[in-house]
Amino acid sequence: AQTVTQSQPEMSVQEAETVTLSCTYDTSESDYYLFWYKQPPSRQMILVIRQEAYKQQNATENRFSVNFQKAAKSFSLKISDSQLGDAAMYFCAYEVQGAQKLVFGQGTRLTINP
Amino acid sequence: GAVVSQHPSWVICKSGTSVKIECRSLDFQATTMFWYRQFPKQSLMLMATSNEGSKATYEQGVEKDKFLINHASLTLSTLTVTSAHPEDSSFYICSAPRVAGGLGNEQFFGPGTRLTVL
Repeated sequence: AQTVTQSQPEMSVQEAETVTLSCTYDTSESDYYLFWYKQPPSRQMILVIRQEAYKQQNATENRFSVNFQKAAKSFSLKISDSQLGDAAMYFCAYEVQGAQKLVFGQGTRLTINP
Repeated sequence: GAVVSQHPSWVICKSGTSVKIECRSLDFQATTMFWYRQFPKQSLMLMATSNEGSKATYEQGVEKDKFLINHASLTLSTLTVTSAHPEDSSFYICSAPRVAGGLGNEQFFGPGTRLTVL
């Protein structure tokens, strides 16, 4: 079974600075998708970014980018120019091939200091 | 983006009663929906996959007689917590991909339902 591990329960960063959230996973599949979801205090889950394992190029979405290291099974999220609205729980997720269901990591609570 | 709603957003019930939670896709049809459970300050744990027109698929360790799932239409899935007990108190979240099947499709999540069993 696939597993997803986020080893940082909490992180904090100064506003306008850059922060990186870590995620590792375990799978025997060769093609898969990885996601980062954000859960703000409202608890509404929001997709931040996704990465297909077959694509070597790291995904980027405005201030959000990933560092995808397939061999190391690592999928970190970099947030540049952090904003107060970025404060939330961030979950790394693996999509189980053929089932569309997601396996989530434990989450990292990100605090933005003004 | 697509919208998924849940009702109620918050429910309190007495131990031994049953509670029904609805999950609706408002602007797309969802042949598949997922139900998650989230304990305070913890991650989302998948409970089951809800399939329109067929039986739900439950994850290992989830009691299917306890958590009844019905996917009656292409826009509605319901989760019924039967004979609820205080340990069932949790935050329940549903999600649905706009596109069924395939890989990498964005899941749209409902806002969640907080269940408190007294």
